[in-house]
Amino acid sequence: QSVLTQPPSVSAAPGQKVIISCSGSTSNIGNNYVSWYQQLPRTAPKLLIFDINQRPSGTPDRFSGSKSGTSATLAITGLQTGDEADYYCATWDDSLGGVVFGGGTKVTV
Amino acid sequence: QGRLVESGGGLVKPGGSLRLSCAASGFPFRDYFMSWIRQAPGKGLEWVSHLATSGSLTKYAASVKGRFIISRDNARNSLFLQMNSLRVEDTAVYYCATLRTGGRADVWGQGTTVIVSS
Repeated sequence: QSVLTQPPSVSAAPGQKVIISCSGSTSNIGNNYVSWYQQLPRTAPKLLIFDINQRPSGTPDRFSGSKSGTSATLAITGLQTGDEADYYCATWDDSLGGVVFGGGTKVTV
Repeated sequence: QGRLVESGGGLVKPGGSLRLSCAASGFPFRDYFMSWIRQAPGKGLEWVSHLATSGSLTKYAASVKGRFIISRDNARNSLFLQMNSLRVEDTAVYYCATLRTGGRADVWGQGTTVIVSS
């Protein structure tokens, strides 16, 4: 059981938009920055979004992050078949003193 | 561009030990908190442990506390994870990664596989 809650899967047609939610609590998302990771099949995770809504160089602006209270969201617009992957949210948890991850969301295009 | 390369994974019997290594290059290793993150087969990501730049501050997930020890050698740009009293449920791909605020891990290794089985 993950500390952060994500939907197991989302799907949409190419060119459409999907939103992935990540729900936590005041000890984690509510009081800290959030990161998002993309894991393509059989590869290591890759940082997609950091500090809630910042994109590392290389992340297309089709990917955006936001946060409200104890929840965060990742939006992907203009979906492409290459976006099919597992997506994880992560943040610091003040009570646990470590990083917590969501259970992951599989995006199907 | 930073690079991390893990090694040391393998097959071990329950109760056994294994030492993972992670070699860093292309970034100022000594200036970064470092972490180990694992992924059991077909499962999500789980933070295992992290340590501060000097190695003086360490943290562990409850599932490994008292059995695993994280350490680093800044002179050799290396990170280690000593895993003792291994259990079947420790079977996973183990990744080393840099660690910054908000669970931000910019650089990841390719992972090394640990299988605990009799």
